[in-house]
Amino acid sequence: GNSVTQMEGPVTLSEEAFLTINCTYTATGYPSLFWYVQYPGEGLQLLLKATKADDKGSNKGFEATYRKETTSFHLEKGSVQVSDSAVYFCALSGRETSGSRLTFGEGTQLTVNP
Amino acid sequence: GAGVSQSPSNKVTEKGKDVELRCDPISGHTALYWYRQSLGQGLEFLIYFQGNSAPDKSGLPSDRFSAERTGGSVSTLTIQRTQQEDSAVYLCASSLRQGGSNQPQHFGDGTRLSIL
Repeated sequence: GNSVTQMEGPVTLSEEAFLTINCTYTATGYPSLFWYVQYPGEGLQLLLKATKADDKGSNKGFEATYRKETTSFHLEKGSVQVSDSAVYFCALSGRETSGSRLTFGEGTQLTVNP
Repeated sequence: GAGVSQSPSNKVTEKGKDVELRCDPISGHTALYWYRQSLGQGLEFLIYFQGNSAPDKSGLPSDRFSAERTGGSVSTLTIQRTQQEDSAVYLCASSLRQGGSNQPQHFGDGTRLSIL
């Protein structure tokens, strides 16, 4: 079945540091890949997505590239801000799966200090 | 508002009681999903509705869990004879369906369920 593995957290960075959160996946066929973010006390929000190999999703300074050869979708940001402190979830939806349900990674807690 | 609305936001109940959780999806979204977010289990798929098709119930953890979607809009997730392990945040999401595939899912803020 489908699965997503994220780097273990928590991750603590200083403001303006470079961020990488690793995500690898296992899926049949060609899934769509997503990063969702959950800010404190809020619901899940879609951060970015990629639907085919070599696609790059980007939003709010965050980027992730769909790498089929390494089955990865690592999240990066060049300069984090305190307001980026949140839990980040990597997810996939398999085209073969009924309804394109999401399979999530474990989540990575990011704390950015001023 | 224009987002997915869930109620109640918090629910505390005694073990053995039944609970109902409500989800009002974004207007026009034909696909509706329920997920559960709990410590140690992460985010788990529960059930999926698409239009008038039979729901995909394959993620429901036991027969104490059921859900319905009336009129293709509002959905209710019911948990009967609640157990302490049912304590979690229950999330609802909805999406459009275009060209035979589903668009990104939009989530509500969830219902935090605590079983005493």
